[in-house]
Amino acid sequence: GNSVTQMEGPVTLSEEAFLTINCTYTATGYPSLFWYVQYPGEGLQLLLKATKADDKGSNKGFEATYRKETTSFHLEKGSVQVSDSAVYFCALSDGSSYKLIFGSGTRLLVRP
Amino acid sequence: DVKVTQSSRYLVKRTGEKVFLECVQDMDHENMFWYRQDPGLGLRLIYFSYDVKMKEKGDIPEGYSVSREKKERFSLILESASTNQTSMYLCASSFGRETEAFFGQGTRLTVV
Repeated sequence: GNSVTQMEGPVTLSEEAFLTINCTYTATGYPSLFWYVQYPGEGLQLLLKATKADDKGSNKGFEATYRKETTSFHLEKGSVQVSDSAVYFCALSDGSSYKLIFGSGTRLLVRP
Repeated sequence: DVKVTQSSRYLVKRTGEKVFLECVQDMDHENMFWYRQDPGLGLRLIYFSYDVKMKEKGDIPEGYSVSREKKERFSLILESASTNQTSMYLCASSFGRETEAFFGQGTRLTVV
């Protein structure tokens, strides 16, 4: 079945470092792909999305490109801030139903 | 902006109680979801609904039921709360297939 695999966390970086969080997926067809962010004690917020191959989603300095050939949707940011500390979830839409399938989440900690 | 509102941020209930978690969305979304989130286990889908009075089991429906009498409201019911149902519960809604879901702020339920 469809699934999403994320890199294990926590990821600890210094402020202004480059961020990559890996995400790969298994799916039949052409799912839409999403990154969500969860700040402490809060629900999930949509960070960015891509709906077809080679699309690049971007928001708040974060980017991810839908790579069908490698079935990947890695999240990147050129210069992280302390305020980016959160848990990041990669997800795909299961087009055969209405569900989103989530990865296990990656905790990011940014130190000043 | 889409708003998904969960009735409580924090809830403490006793073992054996019947517990109702309420969720309301204001964007006329067709689909609504209940997830639970536990450390190390990510998000797990309990139930979802794609229309009024329609419901489908997710990955972990045991011990839970749901009700959707109106399009904007989706209730999660713990028939007889147990300590292993202590968790963060997240409600979400979406429109159609392959679209992003919007989440509420979460309800942290403790069963003592």
